[in-house]
Amino acid sequence: NAGVTQTPKFQVLKTGQSMTLQCAQDMNHEYMSWYRQDPGMGLRLIHYSVGAGITDQGEVPNGYNVSRSTTEDFPLRLLSAAPSQTSVYFCASSLNPPRARSYNEQFFGPGTRLTVL
Amino acid sequence: ELKVEQNPLFLSMQEGKNYTIYCNYSTTSDRLYWYRQDPGKSLESLFVLLSNGAVKQEGRLMASLDTKARLSTLHITAAVHDLSATYFCAASHSGGSNYKLTFGKGTLLTVNP
Repeated sequence: NAGVTQTPKFQVLKTGQSMTLQCAQDMNHEYMSWYRQDPGMGLRLIHYSVGAGITDQGEVPNGYNVSRSTTEDFPLRLLSAAPSQTSVYFCASSLNPPRARSYNEQFFGPGTRLTVL
Repeated sequence: ELKVEQNPLFLSMQEGKNYTIYCNYSTTSDRLYWYRQDPGKSLESLFVLLSNGAVKQEGRLMASLDTKARLSTLHITAAVHDLSATYFCAASHSGGSNYKLTFGKGTLLTVNP
């Protein structure tokens, strides 16, 4: 049981390049989400998914796309990288969405440190 | 829109002392989460508080939730150096089809010998 995995761990891009950050979980979790963490800002939700084929926007979705074709995978695509997207990106998953009426721990991946020059 | 505010944002304390981190949220929420993050690492779940009056304890940390006051607290008892980390609270929206989790900005805790 690997939990939540993210690749790559580090990435440097030039402005205008595109790339995909990978996230996978092997816990059969329905809910998956992407956050970015910037100094002094806490974590901000980019996109989330409540199940395969269903995605929705978070607080800061501009410049990012997601898809959820399987339960296990939730990739985040940067369409045209900008320096403002320099950040640490975390993927998280939980069995149910945060509002579910059950103890619902979220598991976070190790993060991807992205620098856009 | 749900807003989550933590205070203090920075906390420097001596070993053996007690202190409390406060987490206020702006609209109705019936789920409150606490996480710990060590420098350069990912987030680790500490507590999930599901209802008004919920109290959970793990070692020197105790978390509570008062949904009427829209307040959660993380109390640290007899701090030790190993508790040095950043602590985040997060609240989930409780209405409609909103499945978002909103985080506070975090409290950087430094425990000095």
